[in-house]
Amino acid sequence: QQQVKQSPQSLIVQKGGISIINCAYENTAFDYFPWYQQFPGKGPALLIAIRPDVSEKKEGRFTISFNKSAKQFSLHIMDSQPGDSATYFCAASSGSNYQLIWGAGTKLIIKP
Amino acid sequence: EADIYQTPRYLVIGTGKKITLECSQTMGHDKMYWYQQDPGMELHLIHYSYGVNSTEKGDLSSESTVSRIRTEHFPLTLESARPSHTSQYLCASSVLLNEQFFGPGTRLTVL
Repeated sequence: QQQVKQSPQSLIVQKGGISIINCAYENTAFDYFPWYQQFPGKGPALLIAIRPDVSEKKEGRFTISFNKSAKQFSLHIMDSQPGDSATYFCAASSGSNYQLIWGAGTKLIIKP
Repeated sequence: EADIYQTPRYLVIGTGKKITLECSQTMGHDKMYWYQQDPGMELHLIHYSYGVNSTEKGDLSSESTVSRIRTEHFPLTLESARPSHTSQYLCASSVLLNEQFFGPGTRLTVL
């Protein structure tokens, strides 16, 4: 029940296209859903995060869509650029538990 | 500048050696974490601390130990390194809203 399932494992998108990565969770107590971006040789960095009181959050080309009833959330990257090529991780946490439950990661490649 | 630092960045060491991976943060965060990650793969929590003199083991069984004597410092020690310990070790810290800030990682190779 603590798992966060992320798909796809890898994704290739043409430059200018839309990249979509999905995550699903079981624990209804989760109330914080971040996405992290990791480049090779670096630690992950927070990209965007959402709480379940909203269904969508947008920051520049990055959008989180959140479906509470389906217990799913997704990351959309609009106008994908080669510089977006990285590994993306979704995660979730609940209340006073400061641990993040991580998805397995998606390796995104944007082809020029 | 507020940041989180890890040293060394790369370490190649022989089996049986004792090693300490350093992690320091200048952000004043009370919560700190150690993760183990094979390159590009999922993150596994091995240790965490919610404050000075507080340490807990994470989900992934690890032969390492940690200490938290000062807020800013959270070193990880392997008493006897083995080839199975070869991996990347990431340190992170957080304070509010569960946002974790990561260091650049230490890439450990045990021969």
